[in-house]
Amino acid sequence: DAKTTQPTSMDCAEGRAANLPCNHSTISGNEYVYWYRQIHSQGPQYIIHGLKNNETNEMASLIITEDRKSSTLILPHATLRDTAVYYCIVRPSLTSGTYKYIFGTGTRLKVLA
Amino acid sequence: DTEVTQTPKHLVMGMTNKKSLKCEQHMGHRAMYWYKQKAKKPPELMFVYSYEKLSINESVPSRFSPECPNSSLLNLHLHALQPEDSALYLCASSPGDGSNQPQHFGDGTRLSIL
Repeated sequence: DAKTTQPTSMDCAEGRAANLPCNHSTISGNEYVYWYRQIHSQGPQYIIHGLKNNETNEMASLIITEDRKSSTLILPHATLRDTAVYYCIVRPSLTSGTYKYIFGTGTRLKVLA
Repeated sequence: DTEVTQTPKHLVMGMTNKKSLKCEQHMGHRAMYWYKQKAKKPPELMFVYSYEKLSINESVPSRFSPECPNSSLLNLHLHALQPEDSALYLCASSPGDGSNQPQHFGDGTRLSIL
């Protein structure tokens, strides 16, 4: 199973873009990259996922390098409510309709006023 | 607001007690998951159910007993737990249809063992 490596913590000024990197150098060709965040005392919240193309939704953008060995989650205008632990997950190949998430240690993002 | 509902939100129990955690989803998902999360650590998978059948057990001790009575409900029965079992227990669901759609998580049950 592909593992992910993320910085332990990052700070970002409110209103600025937050760029959270993730390394997944052992990713296989059919494995997706998922991003979640977890605010204290809540369950993980889905943000975005992708295979090889860049993706954007109302919450964030996901940039995946051409070799797929790393990705970056971009929160375009960070707010104080974006303070959370952000997890990058590579989903192993499907063997059925179910799949395992293997969470890495995540990045603790602190948005500063 | 979460589409996966877990009850109770908090539970305190003694080591000899028997209790159950409950998880419910009405998204029509056919895969459901239990995770355990210790303080300041990432979630760790415990069990996976697919179409009401147990498909993955991550070598979880038998004092944790999962049950999936129907496609919307997932229970975790607890008996003779140890203090180190104190943690946040998270439930998640996904379509279970082989698609790449993500898992949706509940907000968890915070369990304390006295």
